[in-house]
Amino acid sequence: NAGVTQTPKFRVLKTGQSMTLLCAQDMNHEYMYWYRQDPGMGLRLIHYSVGEGTTAKGEVPDGYNVSRLKKQNFLLGLESAAPSQTSVYFCASRTPGQGAFGYTFGSGTRLTVV
Amino acid sequence: RKEVEQDPGPFNVPEGATVAFNCTYSNSASQSFFWYRQDCRKEPKLLMSVYSSGNEDGRFTAQLNRASQYISLLIRDSKLSDSATYLCVVNRNTGNQFYFGTGTSLTVIP
Repeated sequence: NAGVTQTPKFRVLKTGQSMTLLCAQDMNHEYMYWYRQDPGMGLRLIHYSVGEGTTAKGEVPDGYNVSRLKKQNFLLGLESAAPSQTSVYFCASRTPGQGAFGYTFGSGTRLTVV
Repeated sequence: RKEVEQDPGPFNVPEGATVAFNCTYSNSASQSFFWYRQDCRKEPKLLMSVYSSGNEDGRFTAQLNRASQYISLLIRDSKLSDSATYLCVVNRNTGNQFYFGTGTSLTVIP
């Protein structure tokens, strides 16, 4: 049982390049989330999804897009990367009704935009 | 004002010491409260929930004060393995979003 798997684990992008981060979970969780974590800022929610085919904006959605075409996958896209998007990105999933008890995080993606 | 605020520390304590962290939250509608632990360069992991009546799990005790809008985490008999960052997490019942504090860094010294 892999839980939540994020790919890639590390990436360096040049300003203006695009990329997609993949989050895959095998726990049949309904809800999935993308967070970014920056020094002194804590974890901030970018986008989230409460089910296949649905997405919603979080606290810091600008510059990112997401898709949830399959229940087990939640993709985070950067269309034109900027240095301000240098961060550690965490994906998480949970089942409704379990609150933070059911939160499972992936191991993170360290992204550097130069 | 941030939803959740924590003293970032760092807290450097000797083995065997007792250490306490506080966290304040700004929205009185907040309903659920948790402490997460995050090791260096790792993902956050749930440590324990925080109930109004207070709860204990081994050396860890969590308490909630709704009137003053803060939660606390007490660690007794600190171990080297307790060295980590402790994140305070708050959820409003009406929302799907969990708000994370910036974390409090703890280092337990031999």
